[in-house]
Amino acid sequence: RKEVEQDPGPFNVPEGATVAFNCTYSNSASQSFFWYRQDCRKEPKLLMSVYSSGNEDGRFTAQLNRASQYISLLIRDSKLSDSATYLCVAVKTSYDKVIFGPGTSLSVIP
Amino acid sequence: DAGVTQSPTHLIKTRGQQVTLRCSPKSGHDTVSWYQQALGQGPQFIFQYYEEEERQRGNFPDRFSGHQFPNYSSELNVNALLLGDSALYLCASSFSGYSLDEQYFGPGTRLTVT
Repeated sequence: RKEVEQDPGPFNVPEGATVAFNCTYSNSASQSFFWYRQDCRKEPKLLMSVYSSGNEDGRFTAQLNRASQYISLLIRDSKLSDSATYLCVAVKTSYDKVIFGPGTSLSVIP
Repeated sequence: DAGVTQSPTHLIKTRGQQVTLRCSPKSGHDTVSWYQQALGQGPQFIFQYYEEEERQRGNFPDRFSGHQFPNYSSELNVNALLLGDSALYLCASSFSGYSLDEQYFGPGTRLTVT
């Protein structure tokens, strides 16, 4: 079993739709979680950290469920520019090895 | 303020050869991590360097080695290249005193092994 797993996708949604991605992690000692965005043939860029209480940044909402060991990312009012691959990350400590999920591809269609 | 830079951008090598990839961290950063990203996969952690020492290592064979210089720049060396080593190699830098969400990635080096 992979340490971090994600919905394989691809997700094809119309503009304005709400889309949710899930990510599960196997190491219960994981402490920090992040969502990264990666555009085609570009480097990953941090989208948002995921806090225990959940957090929101504009149209993006991240949730953490430690009991079930999953995190989620909700995107509301999808824009064409949201088309990308979304990578989930789990890490035990700031200085531990960083585990990326395989990524979920999103295409927002006009 | 220059971000993370990597060189070369692209590289083509033959099986069995050796390759060296280079990374310069963002100004003010002292920690460098290397990742391998195969097509359609998420980045896989190779190792992290801090104070010129390897601090953490992922599940990669000894053919993958690295180095960090006093100016915090870093090299990734891969010996005895295999076809499966073809991938995008990403370098990420951070400051040791910050948490992981201050990690910045470079544009990567795309390695093709034929």
